[in-house]
Amino acid sequence: DIQLTQSPSFLSASVGDRVTITCRASQGISRYLAWYQQKPGKAPNLLIHTASTLQSGVPSRFSGSGSGTEFTLTVSSLQPEDFATYYCQQRNSYPITFGQGTRLEIK
Amino acid sequence: EVQLVESGGDLVQPGGSLRLSCAASEFTFRGSWMTWVRQAPGKGLEWVASINQDGGVRHYVDSVKGRFTISRDNAKISLYLQMNDLRAEDTAVYYCAKLLGDVSTFDYWGQGTLVTVSS
Repeated sequence: DIQLTQSPSFLSASVGDRVTITCRASQGISRYLAWYQQKPGKAPNLLIHTASTLQSGVPSRFSGSGSGTEFTLTVSSLQPEDFATYYCQQRNSYPITFGQGTRLEIK
Repeated sequence: EVQLVESGGDLVQPGGSLRLSCAASEFTFRGSWMTWVRQAPGKGLEWVASINQDGGVRHYVDSVKGRFTISRDNAKISLYLQMNDLRAEDTAVYYCAKLLGDVSTFDYWGQGTLVTVSS
């Protein structure tokens, strides 16, 4: 199974900050990586797929990059609604796996 | 607008069974792969199972193989998860989700249904 390790697991930041979350895969997954945002009590929301393709309706302050084993999600200027938990997910091979999550909180 | 509505979650004893349903609307259900993803209380996301458009291809995470069965009824535009021999570690919110095209990326999710396995 492909393991995904996100760092950091917890991040404290302020509105307007630029933040980056990293996702490392235990083996190469080409660009078959997605990012989701989840708010408490809600279902996850797809932000980015295929490493860098912004899902329709997602603000352009979100961006993704990477390939192989290392990927990043960047939020260029944090807005109040961005404080949530973020997950990466690989679709290179079954079983589909998620990272453990990064909780982004307001400083 | 794509809508997915799960139902069937409940409190069940270890070793028991439960069938979850996911009613879909407003998209070409017949043309979509579908999946179940779960989330234990306070924990991360775990993919459970996926099924292709006609139900002929199914994939499962190892921990549920032989116990859970994913199925669909395209005439009723519904997805199902039959869960047998339930264990405490199956306690979670179960989400159904639609795949983006034929790739295992999940672009629409239901609101989830809670399954609690406890005596």
